[in-house]
Amino acid sequence: AQSVTQLDSHVSVSEGTPVLLRCNYSSSYSPSLFWYVQHPNKGLQLLLKYTSAATLVKGINGFEAEFKKSETSFHLTKPSAHMSDAAEYFCVVSENDYKLSFGAGTTVTVRA
Amino acid sequence: SAVISQKPSRDICQRGTSLTIQCQVDSQVTMMFWYRQQPGQSLTLIATANQGSEATYESGFVIDKFPISRPNLTFSTLTVSNMSPEDSSIYLCSVESSGQETQYFGPGTRLLVL
Repeated sequence: AQSVTQLDSHVSVSEGTPVLLRCNYSSSYSPSLFWYVQHPNKGLQLLLKYTSAATLVKGINGFEAEFKKSETSFHLTKPSAHMSDAAEYFCVVSENDYKLSFGAGTTVTVRA
Repeated sequence: SAVISQKPSRDICQRGTSLTIQCQVDSQVTMMFWYRQQPGQSLTLIATANQGSEATYESGFVIDKFPISRPNLTFSTLTVSNMSPEDSSIYLCSVESSGQETQYFGPGTRLLVL
């Protein structure tokens, strides 16, 4: 069975400082892992995905995530937060089929 | 990635009525899915919309409450039947093409049931 735990329900950062969103997963197989972002009153947008290639994955808008099998983690980072990064972020795991398991989400607020 | 649209984008409905949500994709896709996002919650898969056959429902969701159609490879509908205030949610469709291993989501339909 697959599951995802997002360790922070809310993260607040100052504009221009680094962002770290933590995600741990549980999977019986070699999983695919994703980060999606949902801006207020918008749908979900794919930030990046890991599918057993390079363990450091670069996504859109300066985000990247590192797959660490030994720690069963897939944390999302960005070196410098922008006001437009304020949104809800979901870590998602998928095993061998199409079924996605979503984390509870992390709300990011960015202070000017 | 595919361009996905949903209609309506939002609606306010009275309890006991039904609402049909449409999902349109600009290219043929293998898989289409329907999700529910209750207020302040994460996403839960309702069902997989199968082209030409009955949808496959997840535990806790039944066809009588959430009938789904998928007449072709670019279009699907989800009906929320006999609505109650507990059905107030965002309903999202997603699509995946064979070999992509990635789901792309529509903008969602925001439903409020009074």
